[in-house]
Amino acid sequence: AQKITQTQPGMFVQEKEAVTLDCTYDTSDPSYGLFWYKQPSSGEMIFLIYQGSYDQQNATEGRYSLNFQKARKSANLVISASQLGDSAMYFCAMREGWGDDKIIFGKGTRLHILP
Amino acid sequence: EAGVAQSPRYKIIEKRQSVAFWCNPISGHATLYWYQQILGQGPKLLIQFQNNGVVDDSQLPKDRFSAERLKGVDSTLKIQPAKLEDSAVYLCASSSSDRGTEAFFGQGTRLTVV
Repeated sequence: AQKITQTQPGMFVQEKEAVTLDCTYDTSDPSYGLFWYKQPSSGEMIFLIYQGSYDQQNATEGRYSLNFQKARKSANLVISASQLGDSAMYFCAMREGWGDDKIIFGKGTRLHILP
Repeated sequence: EAGVAQSPRYKIIEKRQSVAFWCNPISGHATLYWYQQILGQGPKLLIQFQNNGVVDDSQLPKDRFSAERLKGVDSTLKIQPAKLEDSAVYLCASSSSDRGTEAFFGQGTRLTVV
């Protein structure tokens, strides 16, 4: 069964607009962490933001924020004021349990920022 | 702080040949992962090490793939014999065992099997 679901294969957004990338997850473990990574065309995986299952507040890192809705099992990434350099693949990922458990990835969303 | 080092960056081989990839994780990181990323897809975990022990290798095609992490530091991933469908980017990542820490990725090795 798919543990991480990203339903948007591709998105086109106008520069300077905000964009939301969807991610839903499936786990029965009460302790888990959710990650978002960015992968530009150059191929490197760049960590963006982390949300722990016990964190009371939504995570924020600069222009990135994570809209964490635990009951709905969703962890959407919000990018404010999008820039041309935001064009890339974005992956949602989850680690179940404590720090030494595996990290599994969704299929990704390709984001295109239009000038 | 040095990042995760991988080599080679690119490799082209013929089917049925063998190939090996090398990874040196960030110093002090106990956990090391090997992922396979086929073009247009998300990374798929092949094997996870905790120090020099295997934690998860459930998706490693063990008839042709092998991996080791001697002395709990650097690691090698080997494919023998390679198939056309093994063409992919092989990503190595490492993380500490602290809760909430992300995995840091290397640049990857792009393998083309012809």
